Amino acid sequence: DVKVTQSSRYLVKRTGEKVFLECVQDMDHENMFWYRQDPGLGLRLIYFSYDVKMKEKGDIPEGYSVSREKKERFSLILESASTNQTSMYLCASSYLAGELWYEQYFGPGTRLTVT
Amino acid sequence: AQRVTQPEKLLSVFKGAPVELKCNYSYSGSPELFWYVQYSRQRLQLLLRHISRESIKGFTADLNKGETSFHLKKPFAQEEDSAMYYCALSEGNQFYFGTGTSLTVIP
Repeated sequence: DVKVTQSSRYLVKRTGEKVFLECVQDMDHENMFWYRQDPGLGLRLIYFSYDVKMKEKGDIPEGYSVSREKKERFSLILESASTNQTSMYLCASSYLAGELWYEQYFGPGTRLTVT
Repeated sequence: AQRVTQPEKLLSVFKGAPVELKCNYSYSGSPELFWYVQYSRQRLQLLLRHISRESIKGFTADLNKGETSFHLKKPFAQEEDSAMYYCALSEGNQFYFGTGTSLTVIP
């Protein structure tokens, strides 16, 4: 069974703090993703990575950075947290499940509150 | 451009009634489409994918290329179907999600 774990379920940080969200998957998946989930806005892609040390911006990368030093670990960094980054953050990993399609597996989410 | 549109944010049906959650997509090629579900306090998980043409928990979804739709249907809703549902489109190794529909099944 695929396991995608996230370092914290709940996190409260102050404005201006540097925040690290960690994600680990145990199935050797090439692709990893960070989304934020907000009511009425659905899932919005922040960054994704298709290989170690490789990253691509998603739809809303501003204010975020990522790091993937090892295949199984994908970190999301908020350099200087702001209140508008209060959200649920979801990590996912995916693999090529068929000839042309991928299947994604999600972590439990980290609810970040920035005060 | 929004690739996946779910027009209904909220949907309520009575137990035993049919339910249809709408999804429209924008994609020029042959899309890979999925429905994901998130039950209360659980992680987002795959419900079904169009390529496998399967029925999961009584749900089905048919790809209609003419109408560019992938609506999710169930003939008789159950209380345990209450959840958040997301339609998603895969383009290569990227995924695009709709804004989600919150389904409430009224006992």
